[in-house]
Amino acid sequence: SSELTQDPAVSVALGQTVRITCQGDSLRSYYASWYQQKPGQAPLLVIYAKNNRPSGIPDRFSGSSSGNTAYLTITGAQAEDEADYYCNSRDSSGNPLYVFGTGTKVTVL
Amino acid sequence: QVQLVQSGAEVKKPGASVKISCKASGYTFTSYYIHWVRQAPGQGLEWMGIINPSGGSANNAQMFQGRVTMTRDTSTSTVYMELSSLRSEDTAVYYCAREVRVVPSNHFDIWGQGTMVTVSS
Repeated sequence: SSELTQDPAVSVALGQTVRITCQGDSLRSYYASWYQQKPGQAPLLVIYAKNNRPSGIPDRFSGSSSGNTAYLTITGAQAEDEADYYCNSRDSSGNPLYVFGTGTKVTVL
Repeated sequence: QVQLVQSGAEVKKPGASVKISCKASGYTFTSYYIHWVRQAPGQGLEWMGIINPSGGSANNAQMFQGRVTMTRDTSTSTVYMELSSLRSEDTAVYYCAREVRVVPSNHFDIWGQGTMVTVSS
């Protein structure tokens, strides 16, 4: 089965830019989606279909991809962006059919 | 308003089963797949399985093979996930989530609030 690997933690100064990576073979076949999760809350979709934002998600969130890697970029990070971020995609290799990334804790300094 | 509302917290003993419900509202129930995702304390998200509310077909991650059963009731727009032979490692928050699928993209746009399941003797 495939895995999606993320850096465990990153930090960013308030107002600066941070890029989170998600790497896995399934990303060669399927787009990643990205989820923000704050303590005690359900995940929230922030990016889908490579670089689309749901209504209500600030435009400082953007997505991109290259080969087997997907990226989530926060341009001008705000204090409220401090959270865990997970990528997800379908898995072309069989089972499990879908896979989540290992998660990245973003700290805004 | 589109939403998924899950049943309340459960405390179970090892070896028992738990059945969690996820009630959909605000959209056509049979038009979207529903997934189950769990999160153990302090851990990441783990995909468990998927059910098609239209026909009822389901598929789950191999690690849960034989222990998880997903069903739906179209009359109440509710999906259910039953996990049997519970062990302490099953202690987690369980989420249902709606999938929007436009190949090659899929995403989970609506999530339930989560159901805490505690397995303890």
